[in-house]
Amino acid sequence: GAVVSQHPSWVICKSGTSVKIECRSLDFQATTMFWYRQFPKQSLMLMATSNEGSKATYEQGVEKDKFLINHASLTLSTLTVTSAHPEDSSFYICSASSRAWGYTFGSGTRLTVV
Amino acid sequence: AQSVTQPDIHITVSEGASLELRCNYSYGATPYLFWYVQSPGQGLQLLLKYFSGDTLVQGIKGFEAEFKRSQSSFNLRKPSVHWSDAAEYFCAVEAAGNKLTFGGGTRVLVKP
Repeated sequence: GAVVSQHPSWVICKSGTSVKIECRSLDFQATTMFWYRQFPKQSLMLMATSNEGSKATYEQGVEKDKFLINHASLTLSTLTVTSAHPEDSSFYICSASSRAWGYTFGSGTRLTVV
Repeated sequence: AQSVTQPDIHITVSEGASLELRCNYSYGATPYLFWYVQSPGQGLQLLLKYFSGDTLVQGIKGFEAEFKRSQSSFNLRKPSVHWSDAAEYFCAVEAAGNKLTFGGGTRVLVKP
């Protein structure tokens, strides 16, 4: 089946630094990738949608300059949290979409900003 | 705009008992509906999906769901729950733009 690898699974960073999260589709090409944020005991909130080679589309209220998304190939998308602050601490999940497999989710990244 | 409601935040069920998780959606067109399961600190695993056809959908791990258009519901069921079914369950609808909208989730606790 389809597998999406998300790395790292957890990261701790200092306030003011930037953190990059990678999302790779291992055995299929993803036409679209999605980035979600999940607060403890809450649902997933879509942050942005990205298509290979084009700019990401951000949901209302999501700061595009803080959450930089790059979708350089059909198998790789990255989310960079710039100048991270404690309020950015959260669980981030990516999802890759393909016609064959539908939506496949990564295992998530726990970001803690101290 | 589309929305998904899962009325039950928590459900506690005894091992071996049946389980039903409720999901109601609001969407103007024919919905594509999904159920996902999430273990703590993990991503989401697809249990089943409904696109069209038979309104009773079979999924993995012994789960099934029934689409009822008249009630705008897509409830998830399992006849006999195992301790490993303790997790968070999310119902989702695919909207225009191929985006998923998730319900708030239902946390299932399984008593021995």
